[in-house]
Amino acid sequence: QVQLQQWGAGLLKPSETLSLTCAVYGGSFSGYFCSWIRQPPGKGLEWIGEINHSGSTNYNPSLKSRVTISVDTSKNQFSLKLSSVTAADTAVYYCAREPPVGSMVRGVMVYYYYYMDVWGEGTTVTVSS
Amino acid sequence: QSALTQPASVSGSPGQSITISCTGTSSDFGGYNFVSWYQQHPGKAPKLMIYDVSKRPSGVSNRFSGSKSGNTASLTISGLQAEDEADYYCSSSTSSSTVLFGGGTKLTVL
Repeated sequence: QVQLQQWGAGLLKPSETLSLTCAVYGGSFSGYFCSWIRQPPGKGLEWIGEINHSGSTNYNPSLKSRVTISVDTSKNQFSLKLSSVTAADTAVYYCAREPPVGSMVRGVMVYYYYYMDVWGEGTTVTVSS
Repeated sequence: QSALTQPASVSGSPGQSITISCTGTSSDFGGYNFVSWYQQHPGKAPKLMIYDVSKRPSGVSNRFSGSKSGNTASLTISGLQAEDEADYYCSSSTSSSTVLFGGGTKLTVL
């Protein structure tokens, strides 16, 4: 059974860089995208971005200028960096796995990734001076 | 990108059925049937309940069902139970190859 375990610094000062890592246990990274999602206190979910084992990424346009998601396939891990944090970045950050959804497009199987079937437990990150 | 629109709250009595709507633009849904729903209990990570509009992952009760018409997706929970009380979020794949969540709906079981 696939499990995601995440870790990283929980308390940051404004302007610092948030850094979190998520490890995939019990399964391969290959064939999936893995994503980061965050949830500010008392608010809803916000998708941050995703990466596959080849390093292909997609980012939320509203965060793209500050976000870097990377992968270390040798360790079955992927990481999130968010630069120049402010109090507005205070949230619980989740990592999650996105399985492929196949769809025939003009006779060719195309794979899409959008839903999260396995989630990490979440890491609380607080930004405060 | 703005969040998909969900009602802030819905409620129902045990045994009843409720429906949560999720509305967006055609770009928000990307022209695909790629809609998922998540259940989140307080202090817990979200749990996948529905994907591809109406498919249930293994282990999810058949009391949960999904549908989509035009730019509105819906989650229906039948035979409400106390443990269904939670926050529910819809999500879609957009035309820009990004993922968009709804604002969330708090379900209260009376």
